[in-house]
Amino acid sequence: GIQVEQSPPDLILQEGANSTLRCNFSDSVNNLQWFHQNPWGQLINLFYIPSGTKQNGRLSATTVATERYSLLYISSSQTTDSGVYFCAVDQPGAQKLVFGQGTRLTINP
Amino acid sequence: KAGVTQTPRYLIKTRGQQVTLSCSPISGHRSVSWYQQTPGQGLQFLFEYFSETQRNKGNFPGRFSGRQFSNSRSEMNVSTLELGDSALYLCASSLALVSGNTIYFGEGSWLTVV
Repeated sequence: GIQVEQSPPDLILQEGANSTLRCNFSDSVNNLQWFHQNPWGQLINLFYIPSGTKQNGRLSATTVATERYSLLYISSSQTTDSGVYFCAVDQPGAQKLVFGQGTRLTINP
Repeated sequence: KAGVTQTPRYLIKTRGQQVTLSCSPISGHRSVSWYQQTPGQGLQFLFEYFSETQRNKGNFPGRFSGRQFSNSRSEMNVSTLELGDSALYLCASSLALVSGNTIYFGEGSWLTVV
């Protein structure tokens, strides 16, 4: 099956810093989604981004499908950005999302 | 409008018992999928239901089952619980099948098996 690798596994930053999270996938995908898991366990959908670039406030994401990677940018980090960020992909015909192992982001005040 | 609602939020069960978890999708969403999250295995797909039919199933034993009702609400059942079934069980809904659609997760059900 498809492999999804996220890097770095852990990232610790000071409030106000910028960060880039990466998601590599091993095969063609129908779609790619980024999620933020809050401390209570809920996964919040950040972006549905099979290709191209999208922005939402301080967050933006870029997917280069031909090169099989996606990047999530967080600017001017706040402590509330802490948590685990997951990317998930689904392959043509697979009818399921495959998640990466996540990047744990800690923003210190 | 209301998000995805999962009940119960927390539960403790004994080995050998069975458990039923419930998920109410966002109004108008017809697809419900279930995921298991553990520290060792990460997030793994359990199954997806659409129009009361199971459309896909992950690599889990037959002790894990589910169903979807005509109002799109879904339940999953785990029989003969094992310690390794302790996990966060997440339900997600989407307008149509997961492929090609944004999915929205509930807050999850934390299951502890003792």
